[in-house]
Amino acid sequence: QKEVEQNSGPLSVPEGAIASLNCTYSDRGSQSFFWYRQYSGKSPELIMSIYSNGDKEDGRFTAQLNKASQYVSLLIRDSQPSDSATYLCAVLSSNTGKLIFGQGTTLQVKP
Amino acid sequence: EAQVTQNPRYLITVTGKKLTVTCSQNMNHEYMSWYRQDPGLGLRQIYYSMNVEVTDKGDVPEGYKVSRKEKRNFPLILESPSPNQTSLYFCASSSRGVLYNSPLHFGNGTRLTVT
Repeated sequence: QKEVEQNSGPLSVPEGAIASLNCTYSDRGSQSFFWYRQYSGKSPELIMSIYSNGDKEDGRFTAQLNKASQYVSLLIRDSQPSDSATYLCAVLSSNTGKLIFGQGTTLQVKP
Repeated sequence: EAQVTQNPRYLITVTGKKLTVTCSQNMNHEYMSWYRQDPGLGLRQIYYSMNVEVTDKGDVPEGYKVSRKEKRNFPLILESPSPNQTSLYFCASSSRGVLYNSPLHFGNGTRLTVT
C-alpha cells in the first residue's frame, strides 16, 4: 500500500461545476496535510494546508480532513478552465518527519 | 523577486559523465531539498538539508550527492549518471523545514535525460 494515494485521473468536470479531489494516507499519526497545484510543465505551488479535522475554506477552494478515515480532499467550487492542472496531495509523516507526496490527480475543466 | 533558481532547465548527457545541477534561493531559507518526479510515482525526495553543512538522505538517494557549503546554494551531483536517473528534478526550499509546516517553494525544474 502506498503511503499517500490519489486517483491519477484525469478527472473531467464542466466549467462552473464542483471538482472533488481525493487522497488517502496510511500513517495514522500524520497531523499535517497539504495540497499543491502543478500546471503542465511548471513547478508545484502550495494552495492549501490543513491540520485539524473538518473543513478549511480559502476562496473557491475547500480542504476537508477526516483523520479517523485517513482521508483528505480538496473541493474546487465554480471550476474554471484555469484550474486545469495536476493536484498533488502531501502528508507529513509522523514516523520520518518527511513530506510524502501522492502521484497527483489531473483535473481537466472543460469550457 | 523571491525565487528558487535551478540550472540548467534541460540537460541531455551520456551514461557515466559527471554532472551538477545547481540550485540557489534568495529567501534566506534554512531548509532545502531535491526531488525527482516520475510518471505514476509522484515527487520523491532525494536529499535534504536543514542548514549549512547539514544534509541527510531522502527516500531515493542512491546515485546522488549533495553539498551545502552556503545557505543559498544546494547543488545536486550525479557522479556517474545512468539511464534510470532520467527524470524531472525539482529543488525546493522553505524557511524552517517541513516539520514546522513551512511551505515549500519550488524551482522551475530540470529535465534530465541520460542516454
